[in-house]
Amino acid sequence: QKEVEQNSGPLSVPEGAIASLNCTYSDRGSQSFFWYRQYSGKSPELIMSIYSNGDKEDGRFTAQLNKASQYVSLLIRDSQPSDSATYLCAVMFAGGTSYGKLTFGQGTILTVHP
Amino acid sequence: EAQVTQNPRYLITVTGKKLTVTCSQNMNHEYMSWYRQDPGLGLRQIYYSMNVEVTDKGDVPEGYKVSRKEKRNFPLILESPSPNQTSLYFCASSFVFKRRGYGEQFFGPGTRLTVL
Repeated sequence: QKEVEQNSGPLSVPEGAIASLNCTYSDRGSQSFFWYRQYSGKSPELIMSIYSNGDKEDGRFTAQLNKASQYVSLLIRDSQPSDSATYLCAVMFAGGTSYGKLTFGQGTILTVHP
Repeated sequence: EAQVTQNPRYLITVTGKKLTVTCSQNMNHEYMSWYRQDPGLGLRQIYYSMNVEVTDKGDVPEGYKVSRKEKRNFPLILESPSPNQTSLYFCASSFVFKRRGYGEQFFGPGTRLTVL
């Protein structure tokens, strides 16, 4: 069973702080990594995708991938109340019978308080 | 507008009455997938399709069927719905890149299904 684990929440940070969200995965053959944001009752929306080791920055968001440690993270700088949502880590496994299967972590609820 | 559409958005039905939830995308994506989302269990993949006439099981395929006869459509069929299939369902699609693999998935608005 391929697994994706996210740091347990909920996570609460003050406005303007850095929010750090973490995710580990079990399959070393994983190929693609995604962070989605989901507001209550809405569909997930993509924030970041990362495919190779290192950092990828997009505005206030930075995704970090370390394949050796099987670890992917998302940093949100200058957190805003509008960032309050559930953040989902998703991992696309590659190879064998799992090729094309996307597995989500259980999600981390983030609250940014003014 | 590039989008994934699902119909119906809300459905209340009874045990055993066959139903189909439609999913359509206008982005020419090769990959399409169905998920269900339940409190405490997160998003779980039901079935996925890497291209026309190619489908495969996700993590929770029992009780569901799919077909991919056209690139843009990927309907989800519940032949005999049961109460444990009450859930929020999402359809999603993405490109497939030869070197990088699968691209970002775009999600439909969701279908809230209640089986009595």
